[in-house]
Amino acid sequence: GEDVEQSLFLSVREGDSSVINCTYTDSSSTYLYWYKQEPGAGLQLLTYIFSNMDMKQDQRLTVLLNKKDKHLSLRIADTQTGDSAIYFCAEIPNTGFQKLVFGTGTRLLVSP
Amino acid sequence: DTGVSQNPRHKITKRGQNVTFRCDPISEHNRLYWYRQTLGQGPEFLTYFQNEAQLEKSRLLSDRFSAERPKGSFSTLEIQRTEQGDSAMYLCASSLGTTGGLFFGSGTQLSVL
Repeated sequence: GEDVEQSLFLSVREGDSSVINCTYTDSSSTYLYWYKQEPGAGLQLLTYIFSNMDMKQDQRLTVLLNKKDKHLSLRIADTQTGDSAIYFCAEIPNTGFQKLVFGTGTRLLVSP
Repeated sequence: DTGVSQNPRHKITKRGQNVTFRCDPISEHNRLYWYRQTLGQGPEFLTYFQNEAQLEKSRLLSDRFSAERPKGSFSTLEIQRTEQGDSAMYLCASSLGTTGGLFFGSGTQLSVL
């Protein structure tokens, strides 16, 4: 099946690091993505990683990829209250046409 | 061009009515996608266009749903004989390819009473 799994909820204090985890299903997925969704809004592309990479850093965001375990994580350094949102990981499975398959999302709550 | 634009933002309709949503993608993007998102879930793929050709439709897209992209630019999604189960956020996205990811609009929130 095409199930991308994420933990439902994460709560951190402002200034701490946040780590959001994701397990995907298709080992032949070539690109993996992280999106952010604020209430009532569409999805904002945060970052993505190619499957031949182990790590990608972009300012406060660090993506780690473990292909063997099909595990993807997003670390947000120095988390701010404005980072409170739902975070989705997504993969493009090797189904013969191109679509993104999303996880159920992790709600991040950042308290002052 | 400031991004993917969707209209309307909100639509309230009575069960059995038809509704139509519009999506204007980023102008140079040749690929356009429709997704549906219900509360507490991630977006689910509905259909995909490359230019004006509809190349893939999900099993979620019943025969009451139809999507068009007549000139390879804007797209419309029509739902006929709406049901309460159609209540959801309908998201449109566009891309040049998929390696750089999809860019989403703000969505149309449909409420069927």
